[in-house]
Amino acid sequence: NAGVTQTPKFQVLKTGQSMTLQCAQDMNHNSMYWYRQDPGMGLRLIYYSASEGTTDKGEVPNGYNVSRLNKREFSLRLESAAPSQTSVYFCASSGTGASTEAFFGQGTRLTVV
Amino acid sequence: GENVEQHPSTLSVQEGDSAVIKCTYSDSASNYFPWYKQELGKGPQLIIDIRSNVGEKKDQRIAVTLNKTAKHFSLHITETQPEDSAVYFCAAWGGYSTLTFGKGTMLLVSP
Repeated sequence: NAGVTQTPKFQVLKTGQSMTLQCAQDMNHNSMYWYRQDPGMGLRLIYYSASEGTTDKGEVPNGYNVSRLNKREFSLRLESAAPSQTSVYFCASSGTGASTEAFFGQGTRLTVV
Repeated sequence: GENVEQHPSTLSVQEGDSAVIKCTYSDSASNYFPWYKQELGKGPQLIIDIRSNVGEKKDQRIAVTLNKTAKHFSLHITETQPEDSAVYFCAAWGGYSTLTFGKGTMLLVSP
């Protein structure tokens, strides 16, 4: 059982380059999320998708776009990377509504130089 | 939206001691409070959770308490072991209809 799979695991970008982080889950979850983790800042929500076909902004959406490609896949795109986007990115998924466990991927460590 | 405060940011204990991590939340409508453990280089994993209709929950050496009136909840780990060393996050369901996380506590258990 793979759970939540993120690719790539590591990436170095130059300022201004673009890239897409991929996420897929095999638990038939409706909800999917993208978080970023920075030292001393905890996990901050970038975007989420409560169901296939819907996306909403989280706490720190600026500089990012997302696509809920289908029920399984939720991608995060950086159109023009900036050094402030250096972070570890986590994708997560959960069932519908509150009180449901969120499962996290292994993370993508992104460095923008 | 929801705001979750977590203390302490670091906690060092001797093996066998107890460890307590405390969190407060701001949204009185929040009703689900999970705790996650994150080991180095891995994603967070749920270790225990509590819902608003329950005041305490235990799972072996781990327990969580919730005080809805005061809007705070705590994680208690007894008989700590070196493998308990990790970063622990509390979270609350509220605001944006998603989980809001605290900033994390780095727990170090020394043999």
